[in-house]
Amino acid sequence: DQQVKQNSPSLSVQEGRISILNCDYTNSMFDYFLWYKKYPAEGPTFLISISSIKDKNEDGRFTVFLNKSAKHLSLHIVPSQPGDSAVYFCAASARDSSYKLIFGSGTRLLVRP
Amino acid sequence: DAGITQSPRHKVTETGTPVTLRCHQTENHRYMYWYRQDPGHGLRLIHYSYGVKDTDKGEVSDGYSVSRSKTEDFLLTLESATSSQTSVYFCAISADRGYGYTFGSGTRLTVV
Repeated sequence: DQQVKQNSPSLSVQEGRISILNCDYTNSMFDYFLWYKKYPAEGPTFLISISSIKDKNEDGRFTVFLNKSAKHLSLHIVPSQPGDSAVYFCAASARDSSYKLIFGSGTRLLVRP
Repeated sequence: DAGITQSPRHKVTETGTPVTLRCHQTENHRYMYWYRQDPGHGLRLIHYSYGVKDTDKGEVSDGYSVSRSKTEDFLLTLESATSSQTSVYFCAISADRGYGYTFGSGTRLTVV
């Protein structure tokens, strides 16, 4: 059973608009959440993270929101740029699982010029 | 680049043959991981290591073994490759628990 779920396999957004990528989790012991970005033929690269003691973390155009009661997090990209087109993975870890990262299935973002 | 290298980058092998993938790091990080990426499944953990000779299983470890005899090298072995092991394999490193991972560029393995 997937503990981290990304229910939207793909998302298409116009350049300059906001991209919102969503992620749901089931394990209430998760206390650290991350987003990774992946281009074709490359390894995933770290984008932004958030601890469970926070509900928002911002880094430039990227903001991650965490709603612990709903077990939901989202990544906002504003404004979206064509270079943001990639696959985005949500990941989570918990102290009781040796902090191993559990990944979602990914969302492919296409930013149209 | 964060100093993590995977080899080979591409490999085609026949069913039933043994295959070893190598991950090499120059960061002296304690933690190393092997993941596989498949459509619809994202990244799934195969095995991980928390030190030299210290390894443990992940969620999809059947058919795989690992070894870590040096800090810098983490080997993934498919004892007898099957078509279901056709995938892209990623190695990752981490300085400590709770930190994000740095990934290698991946190995595309095709079992025919």
